[in-house]
Amino acid sequence: GQNIDQPTEMTATEGAIVQINCTYQTSGFNGLFWYQQHAGEAPTFLSYNVLDGLEEKGRFSSFLSRSKGYSYLLLKELQMKDSASYLCAVEDGSYQLTFGKGTKLSVIP
Amino acid sequence: DAGITQSPRYKITETGRQVTLMCHQTWSHSYMFWYRQDLGHGLRLIYYSAAADITDKGEVPDGYVVSRSKTENFPLTLESATRSQTSVYFCASSPDPTSGNEQFFGPGTRLTVL
Repeated sequence: GQNIDQPTEMTATEGAIVQINCTYQTSGFNGLFWYQQHAGEAPTFLSYNVLDGLEEKGRFSSFLSRSKGYSYLLLKELQMKDSASYLCAVEDGSYQLTFGKGTKLSVIP
Repeated sequence: DAGITQSPRYKITETGRQVTLMCHQTWSHSYMFWYRQDLGHGLRLIYYSAAADITDKGEVPDGYVVSRSKTENFPLTLESATRSQTSVYFCASSPDPTSGNEQFFGPGTRLTVL
């Protein structure tokens, strides 16, 4: 079966850095995605990792270690608008994405 | 409008009724997906389609039917709605999900079954 774990909730201060972890155990692996979802809205794509290492995109970075079944999303210079849920998802080669339950991030002043 | 749209955005129905949720995309993406999102479960795949007339079950297909006669449309039907099908439903599309292509999500349909 597929199992993707991420913390349920996190709180961080405006201007700070926060790391959201994701561990996965899946029958196959063809890439890992991070999505952002604001309350009441649709998920939107943030990043994709298929090889080990760090992918940087502005204030957001995502890291992957395939041997450890581990990824993290790093958000720098946090802004209030970053308050949202962050979803980790694995594509296992069957065209399907399996999502974790999401991490609700609250950014406080 | 360009993009991916869903209708209706909100729907209240009664147990036992048939309900159809519509999804339309203008990108001619090959792949389309239906998810439901519930507290405590995250996003779960109901059905997906790799092309017109090709559909397959996801993680939670029971009680749902899909069809895809045209590339741009992917309706989801609840043949006899149950209270457990109260949820937010998202449709998504992608050119090829196995090549690192993201899925683009519609705005969602909030369905309440009384």
